Amino acid sequence: AQKITQTQPGMFVQEKEAVTLDCTYDTSDQSYGLFWYKQPSSGEMIFLIYQGSYDEQNATEGRYSLNFQKARKSANLVISASQLGDSAMYFCAMREMNTGNQFYFGTGTSLTVIP
Amino acid sequence: DSGVTQTPKHLITATGQRVTLRCSPRSGDLSVYWYQQSLDQGLQFLIQYYNGEERAKGNILERFSAQQFPDLHSELNLSSLELGDSALYFCASSVGGLAGGSHEQYFGPGTRLTVT
Repeated sequence: AQKITQTQPGMFVQEKEAVTLDCTYDTSDQSYGLFWYKQPSSGEMIFLIYQGSYDEQNATEGRYSLNFQKARKSANLVISASQLGDSAMYFCAMREMNTGNQFYFGTGTSLTVIP
Repeated sequence: DSGVTQTPKHLITATGQRVTLRCSPRSGDLSVYWYQQSLDQGLQFLIQYYNGEERAKGNILERFSAQQFPDLHSELNLSSLELGDSALYFCASSVGGLAGGSHEQYFGPGTRLTVT
């Protein structure tokens, strides 16, 4: 089974609108972390946000928030007030803390912001 | 600029050869992570070092090895190269090593390896 599933290969959003990028995960580890990264067309990788499995509040970083639903094993990224510079690939990842500390990545979602 | 440097930026080599990729973490960061990004395999975590010691191992082939030196820079050695090893290799650094503390990672620009 896939550890991380991103079901949206491509998404479009109007500038200034909010967008949700989906991510579901699969683990039996009780302690894990969830990450989102952004990769613009220039190729660099940018860390966006982190959510720990024991964190009770959803993580937020500026316009980014992580909608963490533990029972559903989902960790969706919400980008508010989209900007043209948000056009990029977005990767969801999970790290299992008690079983080897490995990172598992999804296949990514390509987001295009339309002016 | 993330503060993480990787050299070289590009590397073209032949099958069967050995190469070394180098990474210098941000000042003050103790952890170094290595990732591989290829069209076939997507993004894969290879290995993490924390203050000179191996902390986590991912999908790193036996032909690959890494180490972190006392000055905290890290090297990823790839040997007996195959066509399928062609990829973008990222290094990232963070302050901490495991759960707790900041989990923010800072990525280098990557080394583009082409095996011909």
